[in-house]
Amino acid sequence: QSALTQPASVSGSPGQSITISCTGTSSDVGSYNVVSWYQQHPGKAPKLMLYEGNKRPSGISNRFSGFKSGNTASLTISGLQAEDEADYYCCSYAGRSTSFGSGTKVTVL
Amino acid sequence: QVQLVESGGGVVQPGRSLRLSCAASGFSFRNYGMHWVRQAPGKGLEWVAVIWYDGSNKYYADSVKGRLTISRDNSKNTLYLQMNSLRAEDTAVYYCASHGVSGTTGAFDVWGQGTMVTVSS
Repeated sequence: QSALTQPASVSGSPGQSITISCTGTSSDVGSYNVVSWYQQHPGKAPKLMLYEGNKRPSGISNRFSGFKSGNTASLTISGLQAEDEADYYCCSYAGRSTSFGSGTKVTVL
Repeated sequence: QVQLVESGGGVVQPGRSLRLSCAASGFSFRNYGMHWVRQAPGKGLEWVAVIWYDGSNKYYADSVKGRLTISRDNSKNTLYLQMNSLRAEDTAVYYCASHGVSGTTGAFDVWGQGTMVTVSS
């Protein structure tokens, strides 16, 4: 289960949009595997932000959106806010195996 | 209130054993697959193991296969992780997470607060 590739850091100013990429292979992200995204603030447990690539759980802001093309999934945060500053992880689930991304630190300038 | 609460973490010497527990409440535990995910200090998330809702199937990350064993007791709404032959690289916060409780297909929608395991002499 190799880690999916994410940029180490992404930054943006309040109100801007940022996109985090998550690159895998045809065996995970590019297959029928289900992609989800998690937000983690320091010292806290991860929180589900998107599932099935682009669906938001109840209570998650519509500022968070997802997309997948080929072996790469992406998370876009629109209207960046101070509270969005956190680590973000993508995840590819396949029943018998799961791979997380390497993680991206989002900084709000 | 849907909740997962881990316990059992601590400091243990290399080669020794430890058992983690995860108590579930607020949902029908017996109906959902459960996972363990860990995070080494300053590092990213690493999936450890999954167990089917009825315990019929269990799968592990290559890094823990043969040393860590996931199990569950649906009568007690509790998930376990038996950790044997512990190594320094097993040092991490261990989270239990449920799968799809809120209808979120293929995603970990409920997480515990985590329990720290430190393997050190």
